[in-house]
Amino acid sequence: KNQVEQSPQSLIILEGKNCTLQCNYTVSPFSNLRWYKQDTGRGPVSLTIMTFSENTKSNGRYTATLDADTKQSSLHITASQLSDSASYICVVSADAGNMLTFGGGTRLMVKP
Amino acid sequence: DSGVTQTPKHLITATGQRVTLRCSPRSGDLSVYWYQQSLDQGLQFLIQYYNGEERAKGNILERFSAQQFPDLHSELNLSSLELGDSALYFCASSVGPGSDYGYTFGSGTRLTVV
Repeated sequence: KNQVEQSPQSLIILEGKNCTLQCNYTVSPFSNLRWYKQDTGRGPVSLTIMTFSENTKSNGRYTATLDADTKQSSLHITASQLSDSASYICVVSADAGNMLTFGGGTRLMVKP
Repeated sequence: DSGVTQTPKHLITATGQRVTLRCSPRSGDLSVYWYQQSLDQGLQFLIQYYNGEERAKGNILERFSAQQFPDLHSELNLSSLELGDSALYFCASSVGPGSDYGYTFGSGTRLTVV
């Protein structure tokens, strides 16, 4: 069964600090892995998309890594800002995008 | 603006009623996907349409139905509403039948059943 597990479920950090969110998956055949940011009550917005051959991808202060051997991904947020407070969702695409498996998300709160 | 338009943004209705949610995909996208997100829960896939035809079905209740019209907009119909149907409903669109190209979410419709 395809599964995507994210940890931690929630996280509180102080503004300016760094943090790392984790995503473990058992999905096949793997197509790509995506990280989304979802502000409360809003639609998810794509941060990064990584294929099998990509180990790391950055989008501003967000850096995602992918280890296809261990089926793990991480999202690192540098110098956090209050606006980073949101849920971060890991989504794994299988079968050329015909199947998406969503993680439960990590809820991040950045405090001043 | 993601280019995926959902209306209405908010909807309040009573139990037992029927509502219709609308989604217009990004220009050029042929696929529309519907999701339900209950409070503090993850996104649950409901159904996908591609170029007017149903392509994939998830955990969609029998009380719910959807369709995609020739102009590619889609409607999600929810009937015999229950309190537990209160949720955010999102649609997403993509260029082709799979989600690997241009997959984009709309801003959602918040449904409150009272």
